[in-house]
Amino acid sequence: VQLVESGGGLVQPGKSLKLSCSASGFTFSSYGMHWIRQAPGKGLDWVAYISSSSGTVYADAVKGRFTISRDNAKNTLYLQLNSLKSEDTAIYYCARSRLWVLFDYWGQGVMVTVSS
Amino acid sequence: DVVLTQTPSTLSATIGQSVSISCRSSQSLLDSAGNTYLYWYLQRPGQSPQLLIYLVSNLGSGVPNRFSGSGSGTDFTLKISGVEAEDLGVYYCMQATHAPLTFGSGTKLEIK
Repeated sequence: VQLVESGGGLVQPGKSLKLSCSASGFTFSSYGMHWIRQAPGKGLDWVAYISSSSGTVYADAVKGRFTISRDNAKNTLYLQLNSLKSEDTAIYYCARSRLWVLFDYWGQGVMVTVSS
Repeated sequence: DVVLTQTPSTLSATIGQSVSISCRSSQSLLDSAGNTYLYWYLQRPGQSPQLLIYLVSNLGSGVPNRFSGSGSGTDFTLKISGVEAEDLGVYYCMQATHAPLTFGSGTKLEIK
């Protein structure tokens, strides 16, 4: 099982960014997927979830600004980040879940820095 | 949102010592179907978190059996029976019974 995030970087406040999480080693379409973030030196903060059937749930802090999606043909999870704020600065991790086993595999994380 | 309070915030242990971390929830984590969605994760320095325990007391795949979880309702405990050097890092509890999913603030385990 491998999850590899990409797409991070430095972006100005109010701008957009799209993160990707490439999955391999398991049947991607059978798993729910999550994005979890960690601000520098801080704890873990759940961001968004997409079910195997593409139902979505968001944390209040990102609702209306972030969009989670998936492409099962490409075994890839996405997170579109719009209207970015300085408080969105964090390492963003993707992680999988199935039934009651949550986050048994995590990606290595990708850094997003929102600054002018 | 459910608040998870972890104590202590920092823990110092010698190799071989047994230690416990507490996680207290602001609401019961028992759902109407009788399930308790309480998890424990370890984040080693510079690494991604890894799953240790799911559903209060079930060991994650490949996790050494010196780790154990217990508790019910609002009070939960992670115990390490015989700390090893590789156990250093930050331990997080997490609940998924109530939306949104929330994490505790973490307990940092240092090796003396």
